[in-house]
Amino acid sequence: DVRLVESGGALVQPGGSLRLSCVASGFTFSKYSMNWVRQAPGKGLEWVSYIGISPDVAFYADSVRGRFTISRDNVKNSVFLQMNNLRDDDTAMYYCARDLPDWSTDYWGQGTLVTVSS
Amino acid sequence: QSALTQPASVSGSLGQSITISCTGTSSDIGGYNYISWYQQHPGKAPKIMIHNVSNRPSGVSSRFSASKSGNTASLTISGLQAEDEADYYCTSYTNRSPMLFGGGTKLTVL
Repeated sequence: DVRLVESGGALVQPGGSLRLSCVASGFTFSKYSMNWVRQAPGKGLEWVSYIGISPDVAFYADSVRGRFTISRDNVKNSVFLQMNNLRDDDTAMYYCARDLPDWSTDYWGQGTLVTVSS
Repeated sequence: QSALTQPASVSGSLGQSITISCTGTSSDIGGYNYISWYQQHPGKAPKIMIHNVSNRPSGVSSRFSASKSGNTASLTISGLQAEDEADYYCTSYTNRSPMLFGGGTKLTVL
């Protein structure tokens, strides 16, 4: 079965950094693009970042561009989100999701909670 | 980039049909056929219900259907069941990002 497990979420002060991880299993990870999507408490879903099969292909939402960096390690079947200069409005549940060729996502993890607060 | 526009809430009785709209622009919904719909129950991860405008992944009930006209996409749920009560989100590929979500619609089954 396809499984995505996120980790790394924590309470961090404004201006701080965190690195989220998502470990994939049950499929050939190197053949899929991946996304990070977040959801602030009580709010809707917001796409954050995408990484292609080639790690040179990466896209970011305007709200995180320049602060967040997505990467992948096909040996460890993992995708990462390095988050720097965190702000209060980055507080959210962060999900990783497997991408399909039609720009939809078919499998999601259960999420990891990031709280930015002083 | 503004979110796609969805009604905040819709409701319907058991067995009835409802339709949720998702309005964008020619830079997203109107320009591409990469539209998806997701269902999210409280405290759970989203689940894909529709992709490529109107395609149902295997395992998704045929009671869920979707379409697109111009800059508006629509999700229809027929024969409403109690377990359909959830939040629903549309997404579209855009000329600026691979995925733009709608604001979400809370479906209440009466």
